[in-house]
Amino acid sequence: DAGVIQSPRHEVTEMGQEVTLRCKLISGHNSLFWYRQTMMRGLELLIYFNNNVPIDDSGMPEDRFSAKMPNASFSTLKIQPSEPRDSAVYFCASSPGGRGISYEQYFGPGTRLTVT
Amino acid sequence: AQSVTQLDSHVSVSEGTPVLLRCNYSSSYSPSLFWYVQHPNKGLQLLLKYTSAATLVKGINGFEAEFKKSETSFHLTKPSAHMSDAAEYFCVVGGAVFGNEKLTFGTGTRLTIIP
Repeated sequence: DAGVIQSPRHEVTEMGQEVTLRCKLISGHNSLFWYRQTMMRGLELLIYFNNNVPIDDSGMPEDRFSAKMPNASFSTLKIQPSEPRDSAVYFCASSPGGRGISYEQYFGPGTRLTVT
Repeated sequence: AQSVTQLDSHVSVSEGTPVLLRCNYSSSYSPSLFWYVQHPNKGLQLLLKYTSAATLVKGINGFEAEFKKSETSFHLTKPSAHMSDAAEYFCVVGGAVFGNEKLTFGTGTRLTIIP
């Protein structure tokens, strides 16, 4: 069975441009998590969804960031406009959860974003 | 509230010797506990999980961890280190608040294997 799929794997863009990161969940999972990892701040949870509904977006840095889950298996994280401080590795993770307890999360390979 | 403390930011061991990575947790409820491993430029991979069944949990690649409620610890061990074990290891706690699926990650322990 395929794991979590993320695209692109690497993205280099100029400040001010729009960036869209994509994630496909593991089949049968119904919770989706977006994380950001940097050397300075470590791993940070940005937002998570359950059954396509955003449950907690308290980690989203600011209005420049938005996330959607248009169907049960796919999610996007958009940054508009991008800034150099957004440079990081962005991970998507999926979980079979949804009954209010912590299930293990399965991580994708990440998207390395560089904003110049 | 829940939190996790990894007591060592960096551990170095010789190949073939035992590995011990230490983790203490804090939780208001009976927690779920996990260890994840991250190799350079890779995603995080689940090593093992504890969810209130057996207190000694066996994971992949020969790793295991023991849940000790009295000590609020969940240390990760391996009898004999291999060069491929060199990576960053994260202790993770979750399940402290019903209805919240968020996991709390430790700051990580970088494991170096000396040939």
